[in-house]
Amino acid sequence: QKEVEQNSGPLSVPEGAIASLNCTYSDRGSQSFFWYRQYSGKSPELIMFIYSNGDKEDGRFTAQLNKASQYVSLLIRDSQPSDSATYLCAAAQSPLGGYQKVTFGTGTKLQVIP
Amino acid sequence: GAVVSQHPSRVICKSGTSVKIECRSLDFQATTMFWYRQFPKKSLMLMATSNEGSKATYEQGVEKDKFLINHASLTLSTLTVTSAHPEDSSFYICSAEGGGDTQYFGPGTRLTVL
Repeated sequence: QKEVEQNSGPLSVPEGAIASLNCTYSDRGSQSFFWYRQYSGKSPELIMFIYSNGDKEDGRFTAQLNKASQYVSLLIRDSQPSDSATYLCAAAQSPLGGYQKVTFGTGTKLQVIP
Repeated sequence: GAVVSQHPSRVICKSGTSVKIECRSLDFQATTMFWYRQFPKKSLMLMATSNEGSKATYEQGVEKDKFLINHASLTLSTLTVTSAHPEDSSFYICSAEGGGDTQYFGPGTRLTVL
């Protein structure tokens, strides 16, 4: 049973457009949510994290969290060809007395067309 | 900040040999580190959680006698693949837990077993 779901894509957007990446999670105990970018053959790099419902903006990136709908999204404004990568969504649970458990989605491949 | 290194970045070995991979948090202390494996075009698969000063916690299906993990200090965790076989060839990535449940990834180690 997948706990974090993402559309595998590829999602193709023209350069300069807004790319919208979506993610749903099944564990209501999830408290923290992360977006990572992974270029082919490289390890993931953190883009943003979000804990609270609503929007969080950082430069061209906006993360959105809706805990009631168990939905997380990442918007990339003014998409650039260098944004072409696989984007991983992750949800973290920190049970009392236990260690943190982070579950990753399978990733959405984004292609920004020049 | 939050830099994680891995060594070696690439290793080729003969079947039956053992390979040690080091993961270091360079500018922060990490009580918890994680080891992942990723096959081509597949998602990250958590292998084990490494806690400083205690035994690692392995995910279901991961052989703890084959993948030895040692978290000797707050900045170093090692993964030893014992008696490696060609099916162990993969991209091994470690991460270290920074503040707020955030995981910071190392650059990965590409293992090829001949």
